[in-house]
Amino acid sequence: GQNIDQPTEMTATEGAIVQINCTYQTSGFNGLFWYQQHAGEAPTFLSYNVLDGLEEKGRFSSFLSRSKGYSYLLLKELQMKDSASYLCAVQDSNYQLIWGAGTKLIIKP
Amino acid sequence: GAVVSQHPSWVICKSGTSVKIECRSLDFQATTMFWYRQFPKQSLMLMATSNEGSKATYEQGVEKDKFLINHASLTLSTLTVTSAHPEDSSFYICSASQGRDYNEQFFGPGTRLTVL
Repeated sequence: GQNIDQPTEMTATEGAIVQINCTYQTSGFNGLFWYQQHAGEAPTFLSYNVLDGLEEKGRFSSFLSRSKGYSYLLLKELQMKDSASYLCAVQDSNYQLIWGAGTKLIIKP
Repeated sequence: GAVVSQHPSWVICKSGTSVKIECRSLDFQATTMFWYRQFPKQSLMLMATSNEGSKATYEQGVEKDKFLINHASLTLSTLTVTSAHPEDSSFYICSASQGRDYNEQFFGPGTRLTVL
């Protein structure tokens, strides 16, 4: 079966750095997405990785290791507005997105 | 950027009535549109995938006769919740993608459905 695992909840301090991990087992791989979702709102796109390595975009970076079936989202200089759920999604061989359950990130002052 | 709109943003209806939700891609042609449902404090659950001009593909456990999906054009898809019941109360989100290979999905703002 297809499976995406990510922690249910994480807590971090404002100004700090947090890493949200995602491991996957899917039928094929055509890319991995990270989305941010604030409570009561639709998800918004953060990043896309299809090759191994680190993609940096401002305060957010995403890393992929295809051989390990592993990705992480790194958030630096945390701000209170970063409190949200972070969803990992993998595109399988049929180009379907398989969604993780999301990681709720709580930022404390 | 690619923009997807949904209408209405929220709706309250009586049990037994039907509700139609529209999803539009405003500045691009959506090859595929997706409908999700999200219950409080839970992740997105894909309900169905629809391609313009063809029948929607429903996920296991989703009743196609209850959740009618029409994807009449490359910019519009509709979801009709028929004979709604209180347990259908949820946050319904649509998304659209432009192509097959790079499946970034652009999400609509969602529709909050409350069935009394």
